[in-house]
Amino acid sequence: ETGVTQSPTHLIKTRGQQVTLRCSSQSGHNTVSWYQQALGQGPQFIFQYYREEENGRGNFPPRFSGLQFPNYSSELNVNALELDDSALYLCASSFLSSSYTFGSGTRLTVV
Amino acid sequence: EDKVVQSPLSLVVHEGDTVTLNCSYEVTNFRSLLWYKQEKKAPTFLFMLTSSGIEKKSGRLSSILDKKELFSILNITATQTGDSAVYLCAVGASGTSGTYKYIFGTGTRLKVLA
Repeated sequence: ETGVTQSPTHLIKTRGQQVTLRCSSQSGHNTVSWYQQALGQGPQFIFQYYREEENGRGNFPPRFSGLQFPNYSSELNVNALELDDSALYLCASSFLSSSYTFGSGTRLTVV
Repeated sequence: EDKVVQSPLSLVVHEGDTVTLNCSYEVTNFRSLLWYKQEKKAPTFLFMLTSSGIEKKSGRLSSILDKKELFSILNITATQTGDSAVYLCAVGASGTSGTYKYIFGTGTRLKVLA
């Protein structure tokens, strides 16, 4: 049974650029949730995908968007990067309302 | 607005001490409460609580939920340096259209000194 894998592990981007983060969910899990964790803060819910559709969204602007693929893997896209987007981005997979299994995250730095 | 509040924000103890971490919540359509340990990156799952008054135990860690007073505690007895981490509390809530999400607290940063 594979866990949740995220790529890349680290990324440095310039303000205004666009970025795509990837996540492969754990085997048997059909739901993927994305979180942003700023330094010293708890994870903040960005959105969730279930059956390739967005299934709930937190308080993030439309420049944060995502996709889920038929194999349940997912992408998080962020356009027009801002300095405040610098954070650890966590992907979590689950089966319906089970507990989350987290990936190791992608550390994004915007300069 | 849904919120999860953890206290204390940080804690420094010596090996062998017992600590109690607190999590209070105000969430619409509560479904469950989870505790995670975060050392470097990925939070690792500790407990899931859904019923009041039933203690969950794993080694030196234990947790209990009070759904009437809307809080949970995580106890760690005989602390070790390896317990040093951020402990996150997350509350699961169901929304409209079958959505289900976890709302996290800010975490309690625990440091255990040798």
